[in-house]
Amino acid sequence: KAGVTQTPRYLIKTRGQQVTLSCSPISGHRSVSWYQQTPGQGLQFLFEYFSETQRNKGNFPGRFSGRQFSNSRSEMNVSTLELGDSALYLCASSLNSEQYFGPGTRLTVT
Amino acid sequence: EDQVTQSPEALRLQEGESSSLNCSYTVSGLRGLFWYRQDPGKGPEFLFTLYSAGEEKEKERLKATLTKKESFLHITAPKPEDSATYLCAVQSNYQLIWGAGTKLIIKP
Repeated sequence: KAGVTQTPRYLIKTRGQQVTLSCSPISGHRSVSWYQQTPGQGLQFLFEYFSETQRNKGNFPGRFSGRQFSNSRSEMNVSTLELGDSALYLCASSLNSEQYFGPGTRLTVT
Repeated sequence: EDQVTQSPEALRLQEGESSSLNCSYTVSGLRGLFWYRQDPGKGPEFLFTLYSAGEEKEKERLKATLTKKESFLHITAPKPEDSATYLCAVQSNYQLIWGAGTKLIIKP
């Protein structure tokens, strides 16, 4: 069974721009969660989607948003990028309780 | 307040030197405790789920145990390829809470 895929793998953007990251979950998994990971902060929960509805949300500003499509694929968007948004963005899909992570998208904001 | 604390932050061992990593938690209603392994620049890889005190799970050189207040990840006779950051996460009644991780370095 194919794992979680994330695109793109690497991205370089300029302050003020916006970015969209994509995640394809494991087939049959309906829950998708997004995380931001930085060396100083560890894994920070952004939001979780289940059946196209946001089920949980972390403590991030409104510049961070997401959505889920009917095929469970998910996207997250960050608008008005700041230098501090540079991080590894991870997507995880789950069927029950265990989460399975993708390889991440490395975002660098200059 | 729900909290997960991992210790130590970093651990250096010689190849073959067994040790344990700790994950202590304070949550309202434990619904599951998860261990993950993460290599640099990659997503975390699922290792184990534990649901109740007294439960144990094993995989190769790793063994995870659970009590009412903490979990241990025991590593027996580690090899350099076991070097990674090990993350613990706890599912409470309301949310999934992640620890900061333990960076494990195994020297040949």
